[in-house]
Amino acid sequence: QKEVEQNSGPLSVPEGAIASLNCTYSDRVSQSFFWYRQYSGKSPELIMSIYSNGDKEDGRFTAQLNKASQYVSLLIRDSQPSDSATYLCAVKDTNAGKSTFGDGTTLTVKP
Amino acid sequence: NAGVMQNPRHLVRRRGQEARLRCSPMKGHSHVYWYRQLPEEGLKFMVYLQKENIIDESGMPKERFSAEFPKEGPSILRIQQVVRGDSAAYFCASSQHPDSEQYFGPGTRLTVT
Repeated sequence: QKEVEQNSGPLSVPEGAIASLNCTYSDRVSQSFFWYRQYSGKSPELIMSIYSNGDKEDGRFTAQLNKASQYVSLLIRDSQPSDSATYLCAVKDTNAGKSTFGDGTTLTVKP
Repeated sequence: NAGVMQNPRHLVRRRGQEARLRCSPMKGHSHVYWYRQLPEEGLKFMVYLQKENIIDESGMPKERFSAEFPKEGPSILRIQQVVRGDSAAYFCASSQHPDSEQYFGPGTRLTVT
């Protein structure tokens, strides 16, 4: 079993719809959770971090964390074609330094 | 505030040569991480360094790979006697604290011919 699992996709949504990206992790001591966006040929760009159970909203993005279920998700409201990218989920233990990444979910937003 | 800087952006080496990849962390960041991304694959952790110290090298191949982060200057990832399987994108990230967000540099794309 992988430490961090994501649906590889591709996930396709129409412009203006809500895109839902999911991530599960196996290590119960994980404490910090991050979502990155990576365009093809580019480096990962941090879009959200979440540390506590519940929801965290930033503009069109909402991260949701459920530590009991070992589950973290990212919702993108009013999806735009420019949101088309691979979304990477990353988790790490407190003070561990390194992040463990999922393989990413490829999102396509169709105009 | 300059972001994480990496150079070179593209590097071509013949099999058996050495590759040196450089990373300057974001201003105010003293924690540096190296990741490798093979074509069509995910990001894999290689090594975590602070100034003059290797904190975690659990993701580094046992041979040919080494990393340093000297008191002065950038962090260096060194690959000796490169092979075609080393062809990948190598990303450096930095953070202010070990548990805070990591910000990535633009990466170095290594091609071994």
